[in-house]
Amino acid sequence: AQSVAQPEDQVNVAEGNPLTVKCTYSVSGNPYLFWYVQYPNRGLQFLLKYITGDNLVKGSYGFEAEFNKSQTSFHLKKPSALVSDSALYFCAVRDVGNTPLVFGKGTRLSVIA
Amino acid sequence: GAVVSQHPSWVICKSGTSVKIECRSLDFQATTMFWYRQFPKQSLMLMATSNEGSKATYEQGVEKDKFLINHASLTLSTLTVTSAHPEDSSFYICSARDPRRGNEQFFGPGTRLTVL
Repeated sequence: AQSVAQPEDQVNVAEGNPLTVKCTYSVSGNPYLFWYVQYPNRGLQFLLKYITGDNLVKGSYGFEAEFNKSQTSFHLKKPSALVSDSALYFCAVRDVGNTPLVFGKGTRLSVIA
Repeated sequence: GAVVSQHPSWVICKSGTSVKIECRSLDFQATTMFWYRQFPKQSLMLMATSNEGSKATYEQGVEKDKFLINHASLTLSTLTVTSAHPEDSSFYICSARDPRRGNEQFFGPGTRLTVL
């Protein structure tokens, strides 16, 4: 069975500083990995995904994530955080079959001015 | 492209009534749709997988007689919460799989259900 772990409930960072939101995964085969962002009372917005190819994936709003197979990680990063990045971030995984996405518990990012 | 809509965006109902939530894929045909439930400050929990023209597959612990799912067409799936109770209050999010885009899942904006 596939699973996702987001070890941090909350990440606080000062505006302009780099941010990292951690994610590790477990799947039986090759993973499809995703990051989504959710603002209050809103649905999910897609940020980026890794299917195959380069381990460093660039996505929306200046976010990027690095796939690390040996560490089974897919941490989300941004070089310079904005206050508007404050939201709930979800990492998700599925395997190469047609299984549904499985989500981590989410990490609340707070960017302080 | 790959837009998924949900209706209503929010609903308040009395305990004991039934509520229907619609999920539509607006610009693609989705043979498979998913229903998730999100409690406050928690993650999305998969409730069921909805396949067009067949019965939904429910996750363990989800009551199929309480959460009725119908996927009558390739662009519409409905979730009916029957005899709703306050503990059913939650944020319900649907997702549709787009076969044109490697079966990637696209998400609706969610429906906030409050049962009084």
